[in-house]
Amino acid sequence: TQLLEQSPQFLSIQEGENLTVYCNSSSVFSSLQWYRQEPGEGPVLLVTVVTGGEVKKLKRLTFQFGDARKDSSLHITAAQPGDTGLYLCASDTSGTYKYIFGTGTRLKVLA
Amino acid sequence: NAGVMQNPRHLVRRRGQEARLRCSPMKGHSHVYWYRQLPEEGLKFMVYLQKENIIDESGMPKERFSAEFPKEGPSILRIQQVVRGDSAAYFCASSPGGGADNGYTFGSGTRLTVV
Repeated sequence: TQLLEQSPQFLSIQEGENLTVYCNSSSVFSSLQWYRQEPGEGPVLLVTVVTGGEVKKLKRLTFQFGDARKDSSLHITAAQPGDTGLYLCASDTSGTYKYIFGTGTRLKVLA
Repeated sequence: NAGVMQNPRHLVRRRGQEARLRCSPMKGHSHVYWYRQLPEEGLKFMVYLQKENIIDESGMPKERFSAEFPKEGPSILRIQQVVRGDSAAYFCASSPGGGADNGYTFGSGTRLTVV
């Protein structure tokens, strides 16, 4: 069974700081997605990465997919209070429809 | 352009009652997934349905839980004889097709509290 480990579990930083969160697996990902979930809401898809070594940018967010497709990182530049939330990575299991979610990184950005 | 609609947003049930959670997928989406999220935990897959078919229910408890996605109307997740351990947020997601890369669109969830 593929497991997704995310680190750190919790992160509290000041506005304007940079941060990186990680998602790792013992298995190769077919593809990987990052979601952000705000309190009381459902997760919102941020990005999907498919190719080993791929880098995608979404404004101040940079997503990287490891060359071996077993790990991914999310880097936020100049964090803002609006970035506060639970960041989840998810991967389909061997190219099927069923996504497995990591336990998430809970980020709090203080003004 | 409505997204995935779930209702109710909050549901309180006494132990032993039934809970019915509804999910209307995005327009044009024919694949529906139900996930459960316990406090301070990630999302756990429960069931995957297409219209009138259960494709995979491997994450759903064998007893008391059932799901359907009829030809007309929303998908329903039904929990009979609820117990305190059923208290959680239940999220529905939809996609235009199954498989990788499509991504999910999630609803805002139903928060079930069993008292």
